[in-house]
Amino acid sequence: ETGVTQTPRHLVMGMTNKKSLKCEQHLGHNAMYWYKQSAKKPLELMFVYNFKEQTENNSVPSRFSPECPNSSHLFLHLHTLQPEDSALYLCASSQDLGGPRGYEQYFGPGTRLTVT
Amino acid sequence: SQKIEQNSEALNIQEGKTATLTCNYTNYSPAYLQWYRQDPGRGPVFLLLIRENEKEKRKERLKVTFDTTLKQSLFHITASQPADSATYLCALDRGYSGAGSYQLTFGKGTKLSVIP
Repeated sequence: ETGVTQTPRHLVMGMTNKKSLKCEQHLGHNAMYWYKQSAKKPLELMFVYNFKEQTENNSVPSRFSPECPNSSHLFLHLHTLQPEDSALYLCASSQDLGGPRGYEQYFGPGTRLTVT
Repeated sequence: SQKIEQNSEALNIQEGKTATLTCNYTNYSPAYLQWYRQDPGRGPVFLLLIRENEKEKRKERLKVTFDTTLKQSLFHITASQPADSATYLCALDRGYSGAGSYQLTFGKGTKLSVIP
């Protein structure tokens, strides 16, 4: 267990459905991230939140909508997805105090999403 | 743009030998480099972080080197075991954005198989 949980672990949805992915971290971290991992491609950073404020949106289509109500919880709301959005969606957290030093990230187990 | 290359998609090695994985990067001078392990269907797990002013870092059977002149990191697993079989990811920091977020750029990973 890494201290980061994600639900659901598997999700199959139609292109017209609306669903949400949930992430919770129990590590007291202040930064949370959503990544997309597709086969044969590197992890793609989607969104970054720090102290509940979104600090990065890497040109993600609007059919993905993040929400961070507090530093421990992160959601990814999905609607009208495309089959190419099928992937493993990973949540991560880190203790980001800013400044010039590296911080390791702690990942959840991911949600395997299939869009039909 | 920043580019990270991990030497091969897959590497097979005999149990007991030393596995060496390579991470090369271009168009960037990261202050930190991290290595993660990812098992099938799971999120990446942090292994080691090395700073630009460190030549080498060790943790049990793991060793990482960082050559900023060659723009390369080598990841070694000595006395490899079948349980070491996994995908290993190299990640470079994208620097502190000043907005309170710290971001990583990941390579595609090398799938290591340790054969008994």
